[in-house]
Amino acid sequence: QKEVEQNSGPLSVPEGAIASLNCTYSDRGSQSFFWYRQYSGKSPELIMFIYSNGDKEDGRFTAQLNKASQYVSLLIRDSQPSDSATYLCAPTKGGSNLFFGTGTRLTVIP
Amino acid sequence: GAVVSQHPSRVICKSGTSVKIECRSLDFQATTMFWYRQFPKQSLMLMATSNEGSKATYEQGVEKDKFLINHASLTLSTLTVTSAHPEDSSFYICSAPATGHSGNTIYFGEGSWLTVV
Repeated sequence: QKEVEQNSGPLSVPEGAIASLNCTYSDRGSQSFFWYRQYSGKSPELIMFIYSNGDKEDGRFTAQLNKASQYVSLLIRDSQPSDSATYLCAPTKGGSNLFFGTGTRLTVIP
Repeated sequence: GAVVSQHPSRVICKSGTSVKIECRSLDFQATTMFWYRQFPKQSLMLMATSNEGSKATYEQGVEKDKFLINHASLTLSTLTVTSAHPEDSSFYICSAPATGHSGNTIYFGEGSWLTVV
């Protein structure tokens, strides 16, 4: 079983719509969950992290965590073409090394 | 926010030579840094965990003698690809955890493109 699983996509949404990115993880000991955005040929950049069950909002981004279901998601409201990228989910334990899923490629269509 | 810097951003080397990539934490100390490799259109793969003052911890399948890691100070880790071959051509990225009020946040360097010809 993979440690982190994400739908590789591509996920296409029209501009202005809500993009929903999902991630499941296998290690129940995971404590913090990071979402990164990676543009082609670039290094990942941190979008946000969440460590408590429930929702956490930051601007147009909302992370949702359900530890019982081992599920974390990222919602992007009012999607923009500039949001087109690969989104990486990474659970971690107390800031230890991150294991990434394959990422979900998002395309926002103008 | 915390910044992690990598150098060089791009390097081309001849097959059989060695290449060193540096990873620096610019405004925080990092006792641990992580090295990843990413082939085109593939996910980030953790290669090793660099530990300041001690040996690095390598992931399964990563050759220790080929990918030398040195973490000599709290702000610098280096990855040396020895006897490079074309199949080593890849995007190498480092990261380091920075401790904040919400716990650790992991920041990435800009990455280093290695092309072995």
